This record gives sequence, structure tokens and C-alpha cells, in this order.
Amino acid sequence: DADVTQTPRNRITKTGKRIMLECSQTKGHDRMYWYRQDPGLGLRLIYYSFDVKDINKGEISDGYSVSRQAQAKFSLSLESAIPNQTALYFCATSGPDSGYTFGSGTRLTVV
Amino acid sequence: AQSVSQHNHHVILSEAASLELGCNYSYGGTVNLFWYVQYPGQHLQLLLKYFSGDPLVKGIKGFEAEFIKSKFSFNLRKPSVQWSDTAEYFCAVNAVGYSTLTFGKGTMLLVSP
Repeated sequence: DADVTQTPRNRITKTGKRIMLECSQTKGHDRMYWYRQDPGLGLRLIYYSFDVKDINKGEISDGYSVSRQAQAKFSLSLESAIPNQTALYFCATSGPDSGYTFGSGTRLTVV
Repeated sequence: AQSVSQHNHHVILSEAASLELGCNYSYGGTVNLFWYVQYPGQHLQLLLKYFSGDPLVKGIKGFEAEFIKSKFSFNLRKPSVQWSDTAEYFCAVNAVGYSTLTFGKGTMLLVSP
């Protein structure tokens, strides 16, 4: 099993719909992150969480919300999807002396 | 705030050519530095990382990077690239005391056989 699992892998949704992207990790790390990747822009941080009771906005949090249901689970929601939220979304986790471990990504298309 | 600049957006090389991808960061304090690779259609994988110690870091698949503190640089190198190295490469920095990773915009490497 992958260390970081994201579901779904691909999703097409309509403008205005609510959608949730889910992430779970088996690394036992407290820290989890959501990034979005756009061509030519690299990865930008949406939200991050250092433990179950901690949620922080990243660089581009507008239009997104998150929920940290457990140490291993961190979900990202788009309350009302819009076309410029079409992107590749990555969840990641990190430990105190390690780099980040990324999930396989969710490719989201908003039409 | 920390930021990362990658010098080239696209690099095209022939097999066996040498590779150097530039990365500079802006942050005055202590940093951890990373290079990630993303093969077509795949997620990011860690190539190498620098936390402290020897500034010349060796990673997987024959890659290495050198941290030059005075130049705020962490350039990635490989003596002889292969077609299978075709991928996008991301430099990232985590300033000690800040707990999130900031990425550069990436360099797409295309290696022609």
C-alpha cells in the first residue's frame, strides 16, 4: 500500500458543485499538507495541518476548506468549484527529520 | 518569507550530456533544501535533501547537489543523463523555524536518445 493515498485519482465536476478530495497516510506523521500544481507555477500550498487540532491557511486558500478527521486523514473541499480550480492536487505528509512524502495526486477538472 | 527560483523552465539535452539545474533561494536563516523529480504522469519523488553537514549531497539515480550558502544556491547535477531522466525537477526549501515547504516553479528536462 502507498504511504499516502489520495482519492479520487481523477474527477470531472461542474461549476458550482461541492467536491471533496480525500487523503490518508500510513507514515504515522502529524503533519499533512495540500498543494495544487499548475503548469509553469510549480506547487503552491493550499492548507496545512500540524496535528488534528491545528489547521493553517497556505498561500492560496481562498475557495478551499479542509478537515483533519484523524492523524492519518486530511481532506480538501471545494465548496463551489470554479474552472480556474482545474489543477493537479497533491496531498503530502512530513516527519520531523524527513522530507515530504507525496500522494499520487488527484487530477480535477471543473467544467 | 522564503522563496525559490529555478533558472530554467525547459532544458533539452542529448543522452550522455552533463546536467546542471540551477536553484536559488531567498531566506537569511538556516534552511533545509530538497530536489524532487516528477516523471510524466506520476507524483513527486525525493531525489535528495540537505539538512546539514557536507554541502555536497548525493541522491538517487546518480544525481548530486551542492549547497553553497554564500550564494544561496543548491544546484542539481548529473554527469551523464539518460533518456529515462526526462521529467520535471523541482527545487524546494524549508526554512528552519517555518514548517512548510516552498517550491520553485520547476524545470522540465527533455533528454533525447
